[in-house]
Amino acid sequence: AQSVTQPDIHITVSEGASLELRCNYSYGATPYLFWYVQSPGQGLQLLLKYFSGDTLVQGIKGFEAEFKRSQSSFNLRKPSVHWSDAAEYFCAVGEGNGNKLVFGAGTILRVKS
Amino acid sequence: SAVISQKPSRDICQRGTSLTIQCQVDSQVTMMFWYRQQPGQSLTLIATANQGSEATYESGFVIDKFPISRPNLTFSTLTVSNMSPEDSSIYLCSVEDRGRDYGYTFGSGTRLTVV
Repeated sequence: AQSVTQPDIHITVSEGASLELRCNYSYGATPYLFWYVQSPGQGLQLLLKYFSGDTLVQGIKGFEAEFKRSQSSFNLRKPSVHWSDAAEYFCAVGEGNGNKLVFGAGTILRVKS
Repeated sequence: SAVISQKPSRDICQRGTSLTIQCQVDSQVTMMFWYRQQPGQSLTLIATANQGSEATYESGFVIDKFPISRPNLTFSTLTVSNMSPEDSSIYLCSVEDRGRDYGYTFGSGTRLTVV
């Protein structure tokens, strides 16, 4: 069965500092990988996704993620964090073809000024 | 991308009652998914709804508690039955969007509080 691990429950970074949020997955084939962000009281917003091709994918709001098959990872990065990036971030994996998404536990990002 | 209208956006309900949540999609989709997000938790899939057949429930979720209807390719409802305070959560519907911009689209969620 698919599973997604986000090992960091909380992360605090200073505004302007770089950010990396970790995501590891367990899946037999090449998964469909997603990163979503959820601000307090808000719905889910898709940041980026990976299905195939270039393993470094660019998303919205200056985020990028790199798919590393050998490490079963899909870590999210941003070179310079803004205070407005404070939110909860979810990694998710799916199979496509009408199948469900499985979500990681989420990482809460705090940005200090 | 598909656009989902989910309602109600929030509700406060008495224990023992039921609430029906609706999701309307602006395009035809094969599968619709219903998730629950308990306070401070991640999203957990409740069931997958395919038009014309009974929904498929995940382990820990049963039809008597969470009946789902899927009368056509653009609409689905989830009912939370005989509610207790433990059912207080955000409920979200989702569809797999197989258009040019493939992905999964989510409704804005229903924030349910049971008192």
